[in-house]
Amino acid sequence: ETGVTQTPRHLVMGMTNKKSLKCEQHLGHNAMYWYKQSAKKPLELMFVYSLEERVENNSVPSRFSPECPNSSHLFLHLHTLQPEDSALYLCASSQDTGSDEQFFGPGTRLTVL
Amino acid sequence: AQKVTQAQTEISVVEKEDVTLDCVYETRDTTYYLFWYKQPPSGELVFLIRRNSFDEQNEISGRYSWNFQKSTSSFNFTITASQVVDSAVYFCALGRDSSYKLIFGSGTRLLVRP
Repeated sequence: ETGVTQTPRHLVMGMTNKKSLKCEQHLGHNAMYWYKQSAKKPLELMFVYSLEERVENNSVPSRFSPECPNSSHLFLHLHTLQPEDSALYLCASSQDTGSDEQFFGPGTRLTVL
Repeated sequence: AQKVTQAQTEISVVEKEDVTLDCVYETRDTTYYLFWYKQPPSGELVFLIRRNSFDEQNEISGRYSWNFQKSTSSFNFTITASQVVDSAVYFCALGRDSSYKLIFGSGTRLLVRP
């Protein structure tokens, strides 16, 4: 595997389900990111981890819970989501800060019924 | 305040035409970084280029070229002899050393018709 991988690629869940999105980077980077991309909205940064420590949390509802067990893996745990949470969730990694290019995974297309 | 504006929401061209995607940015930083990404229908954002604020040289990579002008705070992207595979949404973004956050523009959807 190379680059940034995400699983699953598609997910349909009910509002009472609990699910998790997984991201793995094979680039040896220090920082990992979760973004949300809704239709006709700009990319929204959700969370940033640097060396497994959360460094940014942009007012994301608590029904989204990130986890970074090591510098190569990032999870987004989902619980009691709303239909408006349906979106493309993108994971990215970078060597370090905003001076470095971010490399993105293919995304998880989430539908909340 | 940091901001990136991509005023062109959608552009439609016929194959083999040249097309320029505009990007205007706002920042008070003297050191900053500019990026372009391509998002094809598959969804993944593909990194195209990174430019730091001290390097105003234009860059060419195959059919792609970038024109960075600090005087007008612009970092425009030109595709020469466009192809159907160039159809995608293109994002311009602004970054800084002191933050992990990239400021993305709203994107320009490019449709290249055969």
